[in-house]
Amino acid sequence: DQQVKQNSPSLSVQEGRISILNCDYTNSMFDYFLWYKKYPAEGPTFLISISSIKDKNEDGRFTVFLNKSAKHLSLHIVPSQPGDSAVYFCAASGGSNNDMRFGAGTRLTVKP
Amino acid sequence: KAGVTQTPRYLIKTRGQQVTLSCSPISGHRSVSWYQQTPGQGLQFLFEYFSETQRNKGNFPGRFSGRQFSNSRSEMNVSTLELGDSALYLCASSPAPGAEAFFGQGTRLTVV
Repeated sequence: DQQVKQNSPSLSVQEGRISILNCDYTNSMFDYFLWYKKYPAEGPTFLISISSIKDKNEDGRFTVFLNKSAKHLSLHIVPSQPGDSAVYFCAASGGSNNDMRFGAGTRLTVKP
Repeated sequence: KAGVTQTPRYLIKTRGQQVTLSCSPISGHRSVSWYQQTPGQGLQFLFEYFSETQRNKGNFPGRFSGRQFSNSRSEMNVSTLELGDSALYLCASSPAPGAEAFFGQGTRLTVV
C-alpha cells in the first residue's frame, strides 16, 4: 500500500531557479517526515526532516514545508544547482509501529 | 564512525537459486530495515528488525526472509529466485524504529 506518494516521477529546472518537490501521505498517524537524496550507485542520504509539530524547517538552500491538514509536504531547493540532480525520496514515520515508509522518488535534473 | 556496510555489492544468480545478503549497521544502531528498489517503484519496504525481532514486514512473498543477530548485523534471504527479484537491495540502520535512517550502498542483485 502506497502510504507515501510522490506523484511526479521527474522534474527539470534551470540552474538558479527554485525546485519544488511534492509528497502526499495517507496515514494521519505519521508524525515525522524526511527527505533523502540518492545519487546513482549510492544509497540514499538524509537531507532534511520535519516533525509534525512544525510546519517549516530550513537548512541552507533546503526548506521543507508540512501541511498536516492536507497531508502534504514539499521540499524547496533555492537556488537549484547542477549538483542537486539526483533522485529525491520522501519518507514518513509514526503510528503504533513507527515504521518508515518511502515514496517512489522524484528524479530532479538541474540544467546549467 | 563506520557507515552501514552491505555485502556483496553485486551479485548474479540464476532463476531458482537462493541468495543471502548481509548488512552491518552503524555501531550502536539496533534497528535495521531492508528495502527493495526497482525502477519506477521507489523504495519498497521489506522488513525491519529491532533487537533481533522482526517488527514489521512489507508486502512481499514468503520467499523473502531475514534475521538479525545479537550484534545487530542482519541478513536477508531470498529463495527460489525469480527474474523479477532483480533489484537494488538497500539496508538502513537507525538508533531506533522511525528515527533517521542511514543507508548502505546496496547490493545489486541480477537474476538471469
